[in-house]
Amino acid sequence: EIVMTQSPATLSVSPGERATLSCRASQSISSTLAWYQQKPGQAPRLLIYGASTRATGIPARFSGSGSGTYFTLTISSLQSEDFATYHCQQYNDWPLTFGGGTKVEIK
Amino acid sequence: EVQLLESGGGLVQPGRSLRLSCAASGFSFTGYAMTWVRQAPGKGLEWVSSISGTGGYIYYADSVKGRSTISRDNSKNTLSLQINSLRAEDTAVYYCVKEWSTWGDNWFDAWGQGTLVTVSS
Repeated sequence: EIVMTQSPATLSVSPGERATLSCRASQSISSTLAWYQQKPGQAPRLLIYGASTRATGIPARFSGSGSGTYFTLTISSLQSEDFATYHCQQYNDWPLTFGGGTKVEIK
Repeated sequence: EVQLLESGGGLVQPGRSLRLSCAASGFSFTGYAMTWVRQAPGKGLEWVSSISGTGGYIYYADSVKGRSTISRDNSKNTLSLQINSLRAEDTAVYYCVKEWSTWGDNWFDAWGQGTLVTVSS
């Protein structure tokens, strides 16, 4: 099983600041990585797939990068609606696995 | 607009069975793989099971393998998940999720609102 590790668990950021979230895979997964945003009481929403391709309707302030075992999600200038938990997911191999999540909170 | 509506959750005793259903609309159901993802209270996301558009490919997480069955009825645009021998650790919100394509692009571009399953005596 490919283990996905996200860091940090919690990130405190001020509105307007840049946030960088990390996701590491226990073995190479090429670019088979997706990112999701989840707000309290809501279902997750797809942000990024293929490690760097934004999903339909996702603002350009969200960007993904990386390949192999190390990936990042960057939010260039945090808006109030961006405070949420972010999950990474690998789809290189079965079982599909998620990271533990990073909660982005207001500083 | 893609809509996924789960049903069938509730309080169930350990050892009993439960069948979750998902009614899909707004897209060509047969053309997309479907998945169940669950989230225990206060925890992260856990993939449970996936089925290809035609139903010919099926995968299960080890945590439910052998006691769960995923199925789909493409004539009724419905996805189902039967879980037997329920355990306390099955307590979670279960999400019905649409995949990007019929098979092979296993990321999730639409999610239902989830149905809560609580396993307790």
